[in-house]
Amino acid sequence: DAMVIQNPRYQVTQFGKPVTLSCSQTLNHNVMYWYQQKSSQAPKLLFHYYDKDFNNEADTPDNFQSRRPNTSFCFLDIRSPGLGDAAMYLCATSPKGGGGSYEQYFGPGTRLTVT
Amino acid sequence: AQTVTQSQPEMSVQEAETVTLSCTYDTSESNYYLFWYKQPPSRQMILVIRQEAYKQQNATENRFSVNFQKAAKSFSLKISDSQLGDTAMYFCAFTPGNYQLIWGAGTKLIIKP
Repeated sequence: DAMVIQNPRYQVTQFGKPVTLSCSQTLNHNVMYWYQQKSSQAPKLLFHYYDKDFNNEADTPDNFQSRRPNTSFCFLDIRSPGLGDAAMYLCATSPKGGGGSYEQYFGPGTRLTVT
Repeated sequence: AQTVTQSQPEMSVQEAETVTLSCTYDTSESNYYLFWYKQPPSRQMILVIRQEAYKQQNATENRFSVNFQKAAKSFSLKISDSQLGDTAMYFCAFTPGNYQLIWGAGTKLIIKP
């Protein structure tokens, strides 16, 4: 089945130690998103890619970076994680042109713990 | 500013009952898309139902249906014959069609046996 895959599902890192989360998709969607979600709150968009065009949200901290080397993969880099960065990180995709509805397809998420 | 409001932080009903989750939104756009997403505890966010604003007919997916009132900017979700597996956070979301979703705060729905 076509899907959005996130690895790892659980990640523990130390305060200030860089960490990378990965997302891959077999849906061949042009748009990929990274969200941060804290304790049953709504997801907060960090950035999205339309193909290789990177779109950063204005309030996304500089500590968060992203790379999309090809259509299938996207990475979230947290350069110096703080305790406040502990959260669930969700990757999502949507097709070019919105696919008629602009629906987003989500991966299972990576739960990041900062010690 | 475009906003989505879910006024019920938490709801609880007995299994097999019908429950309605409320959502209102604010936009000046004439065409847009509305969604209900479900996020079970520790599980993946999945789409429950979608509604295109230009369609007058309310969307239905099995036990899930919406009451879309465009003039009132209201988009409620009705779950019929609720099941234990419906226990989840439910998020209402809106997009004017620019690849970004505007989310409500969510409603935590608990189905009791």
